[in-house]
Amino acid sequence: DAGVIQSPRHEVTEMGQEVTLRCKPISGHDYLFWYRQTMMRGLELLIYFNNNVPIDDSGMPEDRFSAKMPNASFSTLKIQPSEPRDSAVYFCASSLRGGTIYFGEGSWLTVV
Amino acid sequence: TQLLEQSPQFLSIQEGENLTVYCNSSSVFSSLQWYRQEPGEGPVLLVTVVTGGEVKKLKRLTFQFGDARKDSSLHITAAQPGDTGLYLCAGRSGNTGKLIFGQGTTLQVKP
Repeated sequence: DAGVIQSPRHEVTEMGQEVTLRCKPISGHDYLFWYRQTMMRGLELLIYFNNNVPIDDSGMPEDRFSAKMPNASFSTLKIQPSEPRDSAVYFCASSLRGGTIYFGEGSWLTVV
Repeated sequence: TQLLEQSPQFLSIQEGENLTVYCNSSSVFSSLQWYRQEPGEGPVLLVTVVTGGEVKKLKRLTFQFGDARKDSSLHITAAQPGDTGLYLCAGRSGNTGKLIFGQGTTLQVKP
């Protein structure tokens, strides 16, 4: 079975540019999560969806960040405009209700 | 705000030694999970503990959930170099999907 698929794996972009990270959850999972991991702050929950509906976006740092889930098999996390402090590994994860959360391999973002 | 404090943050030991990692919170969690993360990969679930006082064993790893469901520990017996990695505890509240992670413990086991 395919796991959570994220793209791109690595992205280097210039400050001010728009960044779009993509995620395909495990088929059948009804929860989707976006996390950000940095050395300083560890693994932080940004937003999560249930049945494509955003449930809790309290972790989204600011208005420059937005996330969408247009259907059960696809989600995006956008940063516009990007800043150097956004450099981090962004993980997408999915699960069934109350079930094991499976993580993707992450998208490594560097903003220069 | 729910927080999970992990200690120690870094641990470097010799092969064959035992170690314990702690995960503490002032909040009660409906379940607590331990993950292991290797460089360049996402966290992978090791175990979930649900009942206060519960103890689960996974080969040389022993996981315990505190009686009050606010804390947990991970004990590794006779550590091996293959145990090297980042260990993360994560707590879930109620029936929400939300999982809050601790800062992690970086373990290095030297041969």
